[in-house]
Amino acid sequence: SYELSQPPSVSVSPGQTASITCSGEELGSRYVCWYQQKPGQSPLLVISQDTMRRSGVPERFSGSNSGNTATLTISGTQDVDEADYYCQAWVSNAVVFGGGTKLTVL
Amino acid sequence: QVQLQESGPTLVKSSQTLSLTCTVSGGSISSGNYYWSWIRQPAGEGLEWIGRIYSSGSTNYNPSLKSRVTISIDTSKNQFSLELTSVTAADTAVYYCASGGTIFDPWGQGTLVTVSS
Repeated sequence: SYELSQPPSVSVSPGQTASITCSGEELGSRYVCWYQQKPGQSPLLVISQDTMRRSGVPERFSGSNSGNTATLTISGTQDVDEADYYCQAWVSNAVVFGGGTKLTVL
Repeated sequence: QVQLQESGPTLVKSSQTLSLTCTVSGGSISSGNYYWSWIRQPAGEGLEWIGRIYSSGSTNYNPSLKSRVTISIDTSKNQFSLELTSVTAADTAVYYCASGGTIFDPWGQGTLVTVSS
């Protein structure tokens, strides 16, 4: 079955750029979404269709997808961005989620 | 934007059937080309897609759960539902309903369902 791989954790200093990767076979040929989940809350759509930022999501969030890797980039990371982030794709009539990445803002 | 709310028993005995309902407000469940989905998350773990239903009633399920899952829709009540049969402790999770079939937005608040022996 198809798998999406994410690093379990990423750390970043406030104001710096955080990059969270999501890897899968020929992932660049599929659309990828990214979700943010804070403790005790439901996931929130951040990016859809690789690069489309959801209305209301800060401009510091951006996405890209090429080859086997999709990337969520947070420029000028803020403390409020500390959360779990999940990538997601549609593969062979099924939805696949990555395992999630815990972003820590140190 | 629509809002979604899960409801149903929070405790289910092992080997029995888990049944949840998602009530959609702020919009019609049958208007437009719309999918509605169920997703779950065991405590401390990642997200697992369960399946989706189109407003017409057609469905897609996670292959790993397909033999035990049924998702249905009741347009008269603006609700869609999940049934998961023969549950075990491994089915203990927060269950979310969400709007969409490949892009999930928004999500319900989630409901914790515990499977007891």
